[in-house]
Amino acid sequence: QLQLQESGPGLVKPSETLSLTCTVSGGSISSSSYYWGWIRQPPGKGLEWIGSVHYSGNTYHNPSLKSRVTISVDTSKNQFSLKLSSVTAADTAVYFCARRPTSWGAFDIWGHGTMVTVSS
Amino acid sequence: QSVLTQPPSASGTPGQRVTISCSGSSSNIGSNTVKWYQQLPGTAPKLLIYGNNQRPSGVPDRFSGSKSGTSASLAISGLQSEDEADYYCAAWDDSLNGPVFGGGTKLTVL
Repeated sequence: QLQLQESGPGLVKPSETLSLTCTVSGGSISSSSYYWGWIRQPPGKGLEWIGSVHYSGNTYHNPSLKSRVTISVDTSKNQFSLKLSSVTAADTAVYFCARRPTSWGAFDIWGHGTMVTVSS
Repeated sequence: QSVLTQPPSASGTPGQRVTISCSGSSSNIGSNTVKWYQQLPGTAPKLLIYGNNQRPSGVPDRFSGSKSGTSASLAISGLQSEDEADYYCAAWDDSLNGPVFGGGTKLTVL
């Protein structure tokens, strides 16, 4: 059964870069049928899409974050990653990685999420 | 401010049928399919509905979705205590060129 697991620092200082990795197990990230995405949820608030990547390297991002976001894929490790630069307290959130079948257009499998706090 | 608009709360008693609405615009719900997610406290969202009214394998048929114009609804029949959760609608937005979510509706089972 496919599983996704987020990993990375739980605390990041303001103005620094947040870096997270999502490891895919139980299946291959190298399928043309899926995109892999990052979604975040600030404490007590709703969901916000950050960006998505295809195993081919094709990426697209939320325009509100685009200049700060880098999403990449490493097929040899079956992982994809998120880098968010120049973070502020507003970037404090639970960060989820998820799979999106291109035919469904919905995120059907999610990681458990990882809490990232931006604080000095 | 979320792109899609949902009521912040809804409630019902066990066995009842409840509906949750989701309002959007021509660039999202009006031209793309709607998805619904259920988020139990402290857990990741779970896909309930995709393609406006399709249920992934394992989702009970008590959950159903519909769409009309730029609005959509999630209906839950035979309400159960374990349905108490936050529910989010979502759709692709052609202007954003990405998915957008509603602000979420907290469902309370009285």
